[in-house]
Parts: sequence; C-alpha cells; structure tokens
Amino acid sequence: SAVISQKPSRDICQRGTSLTIQCQVDSQVTMMFWYRQQPGQSLTLIATANQGSEATYESGFVIDKFPISRPNLTFSTLTVSNLSPEDSSIYLCSVRSRDGRLLSGYTFGSGTRLTVV
Amino acid sequence: QQQVKQSPQSLIVQKGGISIINCAYENTAFDYFPWYQQFPGKGPALLIAIRPDVSEKKEGRFTISFNKSAKQFSLHIMDSQPGDSATYFCAAMGDNYGQNFVFGPGTRLSVLP
Repeated sequence: SAVISQKPSRDICQRGTSLTIQCQVDSQVTMMFWYRQQPGQSLTLIATANQGSEATYESGFVIDKFPISRPNLTFSTLTVSNLSPEDSSIYLCSVRSRDGRLLSGYTFGSGTRLTVV
Repeated sequence: QQQVKQSPQSLIVQKGGISIINCAYENTAFDYFPWYQQFPGKGPALLIAIRPDVSEKKEGRFTISFNKSAKQFSLHIMDSQPGDSATYFCAAMGDNYGQNFVFGPGTRLSVLP
C-alpha cells in the first residue's frame, strides 16, 4: 500500500490565522482525500482532491474555509482558514489502495493535530 | 442509507479475553468492509478487511465474521493484549473508485493487564 507523509504532525495556531497541511504520497494516485476527526469522534470526509481540477467538497465544507491544492499526482495541501477553536481537530489525508484489480481500503497519513487558541 | 452503526461505544476486556465489536450497514451496494485501528496521536491503520463472498476472515488473533443476509459484520480479537488498547472503526464502501468510505462511530477498547 501507499506510504503517506503528512506534515506538520501538530500545530498550535492563533484564532483568525490559517494553517496549511501538506500530504506527500510515494506513488501516483488519481484521488486524494482529506478527512477531519474531531476529538473523540469518527472520521468525516472534507473533500476529494483530483489532480488538475477543483476539489469536490462534502456537505458542510466550503472551499473558502478549506482550500485545497493538488498540483501533481503525488502531492496535495489542505489549508484551514480563519481559524476558530471549533477547528481544533485532527486532519488526515488518505488515498485508496488497490488489491490486484480490486479497490481496497484507504491508507491514511499520520494526521495533523491542530489546536486553535 | 449510508450509515454504518457500531457497538459498543467502549469496551473493557481482561488480558487474554475475547474482544467483540459489531457493525451493521444498510446499503447493499457496499462490498468491502475494513476495520481500522487507531492509537492516540496516530492516523487509522487498516487492520483487516473482508469482501462479502466469504463469511469469515482470520489474520492472526483478528477475525472478521460477516453475515450478508443480516448486513452485519464483527471483529473478534482473540487473546486480547494491553497493546490492543486503541479505538477501532469499522467501515464500508463500494467497489467504485468514486465512492467514499462510510465509517462507524468507533469503539474504544481498553485491555486490562
């Protein structure tokens, strides 16, 4: 399965600022996925990032708040803008792997723990 | 329906015991059912997965049991160890690259020494 490097691993940010999270994959992938995991909660998909096109956002998430870049097939960034304490979460990037010809599970990065003060 | 239900929310097991976590789904289009293990401060890691053409899959101490007619699947951890203490998420998805994961709410497992 793919190996994902995500950074920063954690950050503490001031209210009103922004944080950009980087995700690097060791192989070319068509889609990269960004998730949010609020404290003690499950994973919620923010958006799907396709190379060469705009990201597709899930309900409740908007591009102005979570702009995404996908400049090539191995890299993506997620920016969390105009931070508020409610944005304090773990943010994860992921890609979907293949098991032969079949699609299999997602591989996740180690996550970015964001604390907004 | 896209929801995946998971129970229990938390589980405490003695070392050497069996941990059982259950999940249920509604969308019959789902055909891939993984379990993820997440330790604090880490991203979820794929533990074991099953497709609906088999009723059981075993990898070491971890077994998935799958009941297609009931639309339920469960994770069994045999000989549970303190190192198994983590949060476990079941999930479901279809075999379409555009389809997304649906995650269960998670089970926090604590294995007492």
